[in-house]
Amino acid sequence: NAGVTQTPKFQVLKTGQSMTLQCAQDMNHEYMSWYRQDPGMGLRLIHYSVGAGITDQGEVPNGYNVSRSTTEDFPLRLLSAAPSQTSVYFCASSSRGDLNTEAFFGQGTRLTVV
Amino acid sequence: GENVEQHPSTLSVQEGDSAVIKCTYSDSASNYFPWYKQELGKGPQLIIDIRSNVGEKKDQRIAVTLNKTAKHFSLHITETQPEDSAVYFCAAKRSGYSTLTFGKGTMLLVSP
Repeated sequence: NAGVTQTPKFQVLKTGQSMTLQCAQDMNHEYMSWYRQDPGMGLRLIHYSVGAGITDQGEVPNGYNVSRSTTEDFPLRLLSAAPSQTSVYFCASSSRGDLNTEAFFGQGTRLTVV
Repeated sequence: GENVEQHPSTLSVQEGDSAVIKCTYSDSASNYFPWYKQELGKGPQLIIDIRSNVGEKKDQRIAVTLNKTAKHFSLHITETQPEDSAVYFCAAKRSGYSTLTFGKGTMLLVSP
């Protein structure tokens, strides 16, 4: 079982470069979300989606774009990387409904912006 | 929106001791409270969760308690082992919402 797959695992960018962090899930989950993890800050929500074609902003959306063209994929785009975006990024998915609400996380992408 | 506070930020115990991590939440409409364990270099993984219609839940050495009136919930780990060393996150969610609000995490270190 693949679950939630994130690529790449590590990435170094120069300030101003753009890139896309990939996230794919094979559990047919409606809900997907992106979090960033910084020391002492916990997991902060960047963007989320409740289904294909629907996205919304979370707590820290500035500098990031998302799209959800399929149920399986939820890429996160950095348009012009800044050192403040150095972080570990996690993608998560869960199913809709109140009975089965476990969120499954990917292994993370460690991003360094120099 | 929801705000989740978690304490302590670090916790060191001897193997075999118990460990307790506490969280408070602000939104009285939250009704789902999971706990996640994150090992080094990995993504968070659910270890136990509790819903607001239950006061306590146990799974072998781990247990979670919920006090709805005081809006706090706690993770209890008994007979700790070195492999319990990790970062633990509490979270809260409202029914019908799609995302979790996390606490800032607790680094648990269990010394042999």
